Amino acid sequence: EVQLVQSGAEVKKPGESLKISCKGSGYTFTSYWIAWVRQMPGKGLEWMGTIYGGDSDIKYSPSFHGHVAFSVDKSTSTAYLQFTGLKASDTAIYYCARPSNYDGRHAFDIWGQGTQVTVSS
Amino acid sequence: SYVLTQPPAVSVAPGQTARISCGGDHIGLKSVHWYQQRPGQAPVLVVYDDGDRPSGIPERFSGSNSGNTATLTIGRVEAGDEADYYCHVWDRTSEHVLGSGTKVTVL
Repeated sequence: EVQLVQSGAEVKKPGESLKISCKGSGYTFTSYWIAWVRQMPGKGLEWMGTIYGGDSDIKYSPSFHGHVAFSVDKSTSTAYLQFTGLKASDTAIYYCARPSNYDGRHAFDIWGQGTQVTVSS
Repeated sequence: SYVLTQPPAVSVAPGQTARISCGGDHIGLKSVHWYQQRPGQAPVLVVYDDGDRPSGIPERFSGSNSGNTATLTIGRVEAGDEADYYCHVWDRTSEHVLGSGTKVTVL
């Protein structure tokens, strides 16, 4: 079964750092991109960017560039989303999703279950 | 940047047809995908490439795309179809673009 499994919920204080994970299985991780999508409380889905599982090529949405960082570990088929200097406005559910074709420009056919991040003093 | 516009809400009686629009400049020239997100759950792809369905998605879900509007149609609506629906395209300048979402309420 093709799936993406994300790390568990996190509660952090403002200014702290955080790295959440998304582990792919059931497919060749290095042949596909992984997208990260934010959903703030009660709001819609926002594309944050995508990273290629094979060579770490990255495309950031301008709205998120500079505040988050993507990485992958090919040996464990895991993608990471890292925050530095968390703010209360980073409180959201973060999803990873797989664009369904090799160039990363297609529908997101597989989604992780989401990671709730809460930033509060 | 490319923008997708969806109505905030659509209401429909059980057994009737729900139509959800997604407006964008010359969207008919792009491939449109649709996601269903039930409360407390991750999104699920229900239509891709304007009108194709992934395996396991009922035939009641269909899509069309022309001009400046794409439409997701849900036939014979059931209580379980109550969810938020998002359209999605890939744009050469903006990369992945998601619509603002439409809440479908089954009366």
